[in-house]
Amino acid sequence: AQSVAQPEDQVNVAEGNPLTVKCTYSVSGNPYLFWYVQYPNRGLQFLLKYITGDNLVKGSYGFEAEFNKSQTSFHLKKPSALVSDSALYFCAVRDSGTYKYIFGTGTRLKVLA
Amino acid sequence: DAGVIQSPRHEVTEMGQEVTLRCKPISGHDYLFWYRQTMMRGLELLIYFNNNVPIDDSGMPEDRFSAKMPNASFSTLKIQPSEPRDSAVYFCASGSGQGRTQYFGPGTRLLVL
Repeated sequence: AQSVAQPEDQVNVAEGNPLTVKCTYSVSGNPYLFWYVQYPNRGLQFLLKYITGDNLVKGSYGFEAEFNKSQTSFHLKKPSALVSDSALYFCAVRDSGTYKYIFGTGTRLKVLA
Repeated sequence: DAGVIQSPRHEVTEMGQEVTLRCKPISGHDYLFWYRQTMMRGLELLIYFNNNVPIDDSGMPEDRFSAKMPNASFSTLKIQPSEPRDSAVYFCASGSGQGRTQYFGPGTRLLVL
């Protein structure tokens, strides 16, 4: 069965430092992987996706994610964190053969000034 | 592009009342999803449609919940009768088969007293 794990409930990082939010997955077949961000009292906003091709995917707001097939990971990264990046981040994998997403439990990112 | 539109944004009702949540997907999208988000259970897929036809409703919690999509530009999620445990944020999302990306609405925050 497809699954996705976000092992950290919360990540704290100082403003200006690089940030990483971790995601690992388990799928049969080729994975379709996504990252979303949720600000307080808002819907989820699409950041980036990996379907095929280059393992380094660039997305919105300066975020990028690295697909690693051998480690079954899809970590979200940003070279220099901003206080405004503080939010809840969700990793998702598309269930093979369907259009359903399986979402992780979310990681709360706090960027400290 | 207006994005996914949901109404109402907030709903407070009393136990036993009927609640109807509405969603207008992005024009041209052929998939529509209803999700529920709570602190305890995270983000749950309730049901999704393709070309106005329900494809998977296995996430609908019980018979009190029903969803319809009478045309490509409108969907409703109805709870009858509502119970306090239905209190949550309900999200609608839409997407196209080609893009495989889901775009979320701002959500409806439901409180059942």
